[in-house]
Amino acid sequence: NAGVTQTPKFQVLKTGQSMTLQCAQDMNHEYMSWYRQDPGMGLRLIHYSVGAGITDQGEVPNGYNVSRSTTEDFPLRLLSAAPSQTSVYFCASSYSTGDFTDTQYFGPGTRLTVL
Amino acid sequence: GEDVEQSLFLSVREGDSSVINCTYTDSSSTYLYWYKQEPGAGLQLLTYIFSNMDMKQDQRLTVLLNKKDKHLSLRIADTQTGDSAIYFCAEGRTPDNAGNMLTFGGGTRLMVKP
Repeated sequence: NAGVTQTPKFQVLKTGQSMTLQCAQDMNHEYMSWYRQDPGMGLRLIHYSVGAGITDQGEVPNGYNVSRSTTEDFPLRLLSAAPSQTSVYFCASSYSTGDFTDTQYFGPGTRLTVL
Repeated sequence: GEDVEQSLFLSVREGDSSVINCTYTDSSSTYLYWYKQEPGAGLQLLTYIFSNMDMKQDQRLTVLLNKKDKHLSLRIADTQTGDSAIYFCAEGRTPDNAGNMLTFGGGTRLMVKP
């Protein structure tokens, strides 16, 4: 049971490049989400999904796209990277979509730098 | 909008108690959480408290909630060097059955000196 995995661990992009951050979980969790972590600002929710085929925007969705074609995978796409997207990105998952006692499991993070 | 605030830094000596404070603004928060982040790692859930509770104790951890003042604290008894990390307060709500959305504070860096 690998939990929540993210790839890559580190990435450097040039402004305008596109890339996809991968996230996968093997716990059969319905709920998955992407956060970005910036110094002194905690984690901010980018997008989330309550199940395969269902996604919605979080607090800071601009510049990012997501899809959820399977329960296991929830990739985050940057279509045209900007320096403001330099951050550490965390993927998280939890079992259900409404029970607050469910633990959100976090991946190890992807550190992205946009030059 | 929702806002969760924490002090940036706390330094204690090994064996002392640590108290990390958090304030939040969303009165509709249902659960409040404390997460720990060690260097280079993701977030690990430490504990949570339901908004109609005043206190929750879990081994060395004590969570106090003052709902009137929207103030949450995490007390770590007998703090050890392994407790050095960043601690995040988060409040949870479910807008329109859309899932367990969390709003995080900026994190408090706890440094434990031997």
